[in-house]
Parts: sequence; structure tokens; C-alpha cells
Amino acid sequence: SSELTQDPAVSVALGQTVRITCQGDSLRSYYASWYQQRPGQAPVLVMSGENTRPPGIPDRFSGSNSGSTASLTITGAQAEDEADYYCNSRDSRGHLWVFGGGTHLTVL
Amino acid sequence: QVQLVQSGAEVKKPGSSVKVSCKASGGPLNSYAISWVRQAPGQGLEWMGGIITLFDTSHSAEKFQGRVTFTAEESTGTVWMELTSLTHEDTAFYYCAKGSPDLRFCTSNACYAPFDAWGQGILVTVSS
Repeated sequence: SSELTQDPAVSVALGQTVRITCQGDSLRSYYASWYQQRPGQAPVLVMSGENTRPPGIPDRFSGSNSGSTASLTITGAQAEDEADYYCNSRDSRGHLWVFGGGTHLTVL
Repeated sequence: QVQLVQSGAEVKKPGSSVKVSCKASGGPLNSYAISWVRQAPGQGLEWMGGIITLFDTSHSAEKFQGRVTFTAEESTGTVWMELTSLTHEDTAFYYCAKGSPDLRFCTSNACYAPFDAWGQGILVTVSS
């Protein structure tokens, strides 16, 4: 089992808001980063740090942190947001890096 | 902007080793960390470890310790990952990924992530 826990699947109606969460003890001390992976493609960084979007990532993506939970929120989900989303942060000892199990987002 | 280009697909026998490459362009290899991340078919991402040439150091996840080696050649911007004693469970896509932290402002293992550039991935198939 992963040290970072994600819901396996989440769905959202087109244009609505969805929150994807990542839980783990290390998140009390370290930020998570978030990656979007579409089928057959390499992952893409969509969020890091407290709430930092890389260039080219739409501003409908935002991040937040509370206690042992990191969240990626998509406000006004679009069809192209349907993908797998992975969080990444330090392991429970704070030494190396681990990914969450991933969340498949379906846009209805 | 750094771009990562990986070598081609590999098919290996159980018990053998595989060595795959990742060539970086657009920035010197000694200014960022490179990680290796794998993804078994239909499964999630798994951080294997990485290398930071500026610090002359590498790290590997506990699961792969003793079985994985990371090397690099700064002059060509190339990083290699070698995995030994392959089993069918090693069948996966293997990605290299560049760490975004500025090595002037991070220390060792903290420099690997976030991963702001990825290679296209290499499919390694282990089959008898």
C-alpha cells in the first residue's frame, strides 16, 4: 500500500468543480506536487508547492493543503481534464519520494 | 527548457539486466536532479530513485536498493538506469524526470521533485 492515499476514481459533471485529495503523514511537513497523465502519455506537472502552477497550466487548477491532506481542485472541469492524477511527496520518514496510487477523473 | 529523450523499447529475459538511457538537452546536467519513475501496465507511478551529478550522489527507493544503478555523463547530458535480476514484475514503462528545484537552494534528496519535465518513456518487457 502507498504511503500517500488517493481515491481510485472521482467523477465530475462538465463545468463543475471537483477536488482530488491525497492523504499521508508526510504531508504535515512537506508539500505535494500533482501530475496529470492522459492515456498513452507521460505525466505532466500541474501543481506544486503551496499553490504553484507551471506555465501553460490553466488557472482552473488550484492546490491547497490542510494537515495531512493535500488537494487539487479543478474549478469548471473540462472534457480534456479527464485523466489520471497522481500526488507525490516525501515518504513517511521524510527521506525519499513516493507517489499516491492515483485518481482517475471522469468528466461526465 | 530542458527536454528529455529516452532510448527505445527493450525485451529482456528473466534474470537478465537492462540499461536504459535518458538524454537531456536545453540545460546542463549538473544543474538539476534526474529521477527514474516506472509504471507497470495499468498501474500507478513508482519512484525508483535518481542521480544528482553536481553532488556526485544518487538515491534509490528501498524496494530497488541493490538492484538498480544510476550513472551519468555530463559531457553528453546522458543519464542511465540499470536494473538487474529482472522478473516479469519489472515489465513496465520507465520514465526519466527532471527535478525542478534549483540545486543552489536545495540539499541532496530534496532536489529530486517536483518533476517538471519528463521523457517519453521506455517500455521494458521481461518475457521468457
